[in-house]
Amino acid sequence: QVQLVQSAAEVKKPGASVKVSCTASGYTFARHTIHWVRQAPGQRLEWMGWINVDSGHTQSSQKFQGRLNLTRDTSASTAYLEVSSLTSEDRAVYYCARETPIPVAGNHYYYMDVWGKGTTVTVSS
Amino acid sequence: DTVLTQSPATLSLSPGETVTLSCRASQSLSSTFLAWYQHKAGQAPRLLIYGTSGRATGTPDRFSGGGSGTDFSLTINRLEPEDFAVYYCQQSGSSITFGQGTRLEIK
Repeated sequence: QVQLVQSAAEVKKPGASVKVSCTASGYTFARHTIHWVRQAPGQRLEWMGWINVDSGHTQSSQKFQGRLNLTRDTSASTAYLEVSSLTSEDRAVYYCARETPIPVAGNHYYYMDVWGKGTTVTVSS
Repeated sequence: DTVLTQSPATLSLSPGETVTLSCRASQSLSSTFLAWYQHKAGQAPRLLIYGTSGRATGTPDRFSGGGSGTDFSLTINRLEPEDFAVYYCQQSGSSITFGQGTRLEIK
């Protein structure tokens, strides 16, 4: 079945970087954009950015400009999120999600239809 | 960015009851850009409703979505034990943002 499997939890020191992976199975990896969403403790889900897996083109939330690196390895069906210059505010569960076009009212619109279970990132000195 | 405000924050209900969750947008939103997700602790979020009222694959018909403009809702008829979870609305018309969630608890 379609699934996204994320890497294990990470503990990092302030100022370090973290790289989270998201490995897809059950579908053609290159056909779907991957989004990254995070949830800090007690906070709402927060969209971070997406990567077009086919072209490699990315777009990130302005909040993370300069600190986010979204990449993919199509041979491994894996997308990566790297966040640099970590602070305590980056402590969160990080999710990847597949985007799928769904027909609505005669056109196709895009929704995050399959998600990974999340990767917990702790930032602590 | 469009801010989504969900209400109430928490609901305590019993199986078999019917509930309507609210999601209000800070600016008018095309109905095609509104979705609902169900999230249980330790699990992947699950797409329930897309385009305000379309049921995603596998969503039971006791779930229904509606609304327009700035006011949207998710109704769950005859709650089942597995429906107790956190529900988020999400918009993709102006960047991508989520509501703060409504937690359904078993009374």
